[in-house]
Amino acid sequence: GESVGLHLPTLSVQEGDNSIINCAYSNSASDYFIWYKQESGKGPQFIIDIRSNMDKRQGQRVTVLLNKTVKHLSLQIAATQPGDSAVYFCAESPAGTALIFGKGTTLSVSS
Amino acid sequence: DSGVTQTPKHLITATGQRVTLRCSPRSGDLSVYWYQQSLDQGLQFLIQYYNGEERAKGNILERFSAQQFPDLHSELNLSSLELGDSALYFCASSVGRGNQPQHFGDGTRLSIL
Repeated sequence: GESVGLHLPTLSVQEGDNSIINCAYSNSASDYFIWYKQESGKGPQFIIDIRSNMDKRQGQRVTVLLNKTVKHLSLQIAATQPGDSAVYFCAESPAGTALIFGKGTTLSVSS
Repeated sequence: DSGVTQTPKHLITATGQRVTLRCSPRSGDLSVYWYQQSLDQGLQFLIQYYNGEERAKGNILERFSAQQFPDLHSELNLSSLELGDSALYFCASSVGRGNQPQHFGDGTRLSIL
């Protein structure tokens, strides 16, 4: 599968590959994290969340990994499909209120 | 469909004017959040209301104000508009005060001419 180490603004994969999108968060006090998908002309769509007492959480075709030691979050998408093409944002919540969004990664899936 | 409704979808106005953006949260959600999305700043938190009361404030300009009404819908008022206020404005809602998924509407695109 295709992956990125540090944040990169774009990621291009082939249909069927696994994708890994990385995110570095800023606040050690953050205890709640979310991944969103944003398609053109739409608002951010909730994908999966994870709390700081966990290091891994799985959903349907998606897995989020949290490494608090290095303040790193990743989203893994299995068997990427053309419909997964979008901008993906990670967000952290340091105080239980506002979400602080990272820079997005544009995922392009070619068939 | 997130269940969050924002109106209008598009708004075109001139500098110096005032506009009001409206948001209806998902049924049962008590918190409403407002965010601004611009190309250079990304998604920025503006303000949160919980059950009618202001709960948190972010990077909201003094020219901007918001309120949440008893029926839980919210309005964001933007006044003395400047060219730099052109952006997408999103509303999100959640059940509780925080640390929960926030569900976003499809935004209002504001263009200042």
